[in-house]
Amino acid sequence: QKEVEQDPGPLSVPEGAIVSLNCTYSNSAFQYFMWYRQYSRKGPELLMYTYSSGNKEDGRFTAQVDKSSKYISLFIRDSQPSDSATYLCAMRVDSSYKLIFGSGTRLLVRP
Amino acid sequence: EAQVTQNPRYLITVTGKKLTVTCSQNMNHEYMSWYRQDPGLGLRQIYYSMNVEVTDKGDVPEGYKVSRKEKRNFPLILESPSPNQTSLYFCASSLVYSHQETQYFGPGTRLLVL
Repeated sequence: QKEVEQDPGPLSVPEGAIVSLNCTYSNSAFQYFMWYRQYSRKGPELLMYTYSSGNKEDGRFTAQVDKSSKYISLFIRDSQPSDSATYLCAMRVDSSYKLIFGSGTRLLVRP
Repeated sequence: EAQVTQNPRYLITVTGKKLTVTCSQNMNHEYMSWYRQDPGLGLRQIYYSMNVEVTDKGDVPEGYKVSRKEKRNFPLILESPSPNQTSLYFCASSLVYSHQETQYFGPGTRLLVL
């Protein structure tokens, strides 16, 4: 079993929909949780960065961490065609910079 | 302009021929990392460095070496490349502070090992 599991998709939604992307993990020591967005043929960009449990909001994006369930989510409100990309989750423990990634979910927002 | 540069961008080589992929950042970041990306496997961290002369293994370090002699540079060395190291490689640098992080990725290096 992988340490971090992520549904590869693709996930196809109409413009304006609320998108929910998720990852589950097995290592209860993970403390830092990240979401990356990667457009085709580009490097990843760090979208959301969360320490420990709780929610974090940035514009149309909300990151949610539920450590009791070992489950993290990224919500995108009012999705736009420009949100079409691959979204990767990643996480690490407090004492190390070793990052473990999910395999990524491909999102397509249809105009 | 904040920038992470990688060279070369594309490389075709043969099994066993040593190669180095360079990575340089202009932001004075302490943290730097190397990743490889393969279809269906997402991004996997190879090595990271938390400062000059401080490096540690990531998730998939086998077959790779790194060094951090200067803060701005973090080269990735493949002493004896093999076909299973054919991949897309990214370097990144980060500023980590008080449970926050700013991170920049390089443009990627596409490597084919024959």
